[in-house]
Amino acid sequence: DADVTQTPRNRITKTGKRIMLECSQTKGHDRMYWYRQDPGLGLRLIYYSFDVKDINKGEISDGYSVSRQAQAKFSLSLESAIPNQTALYFCATSSTKFPKGRTDTQYFGPGTRLTVL
Amino acid sequence: GESVGLHLPTLSVQEGDNSIINCAYSNSASDYFIWYKQESGKGPQFIIDIRSNMDKRQGQRVTVLLNKTVKHLSLQIAATQPGDSAVYFCAENSGGSNYKLTFGKGTLLTVNP
Repeated sequence: DADVTQTPRNRITKTGKRIMLECSQTKGHDRMYWYRQDPGLGLRLIYYSFDVKDINKGEISDGYSVSRQAQAKFSLSLESAIPNQTALYFCATSSTKFPKGRTDTQYFGPGTRLTVL
Repeated sequence: GESVGLHLPTLSVQEGDNSIINCAYSNSASDYFIWYKQESGKGPQFIIDIRSNMDKRQGQRVTVLLNKTVKHLSLQIAATQPGDSAVYFCAENSGGSNYKLTFGKGTLLTVNP
């Protein structure tokens, strides 16, 4: 979805390096999410944010941190990258403010392929 | 914990045939379901959704069926085309106020010309 962008699209780094993945959205959504996707494991939630001041851990938050700089921006950091963090990372957004009421549909960015050597 | 699962990891069909992709869920509290399509190298793309107060919903060439009695969800694609080749996975929202989704692992659909 072009309304959700992620940078970089690909990144190769070394063990121990600090890495930041960025996500921006123009959908006006209040909620944002970070997932990782590994073959055979599906999408797993790392962190989610319901608004700028509300950040929550997901099921696999260890080794990661996030920052919600503005409603439209949500970044994911790997403090000290390790090889088992090699994966596809997706940002997603959703909204609680549609005119029709609550919607749980999440819209995804194109992903970042991260390789940790 | 409860999770969404899929019956078949792969499905191969001929172009023009109808495709049916299945999904089982175990959380009876789930009240919202989504089907996503993920093409190689891309992010998941929303296809269609359905709430638990419905048992069928139709879109363009796609239909989602929900059977709450047996906790089963299916995605039907009519007149499957090569461009439909992708991984399809379902997601459920288990209700409550947090609106988090639980995703299935996906089914790879291959359309043969």
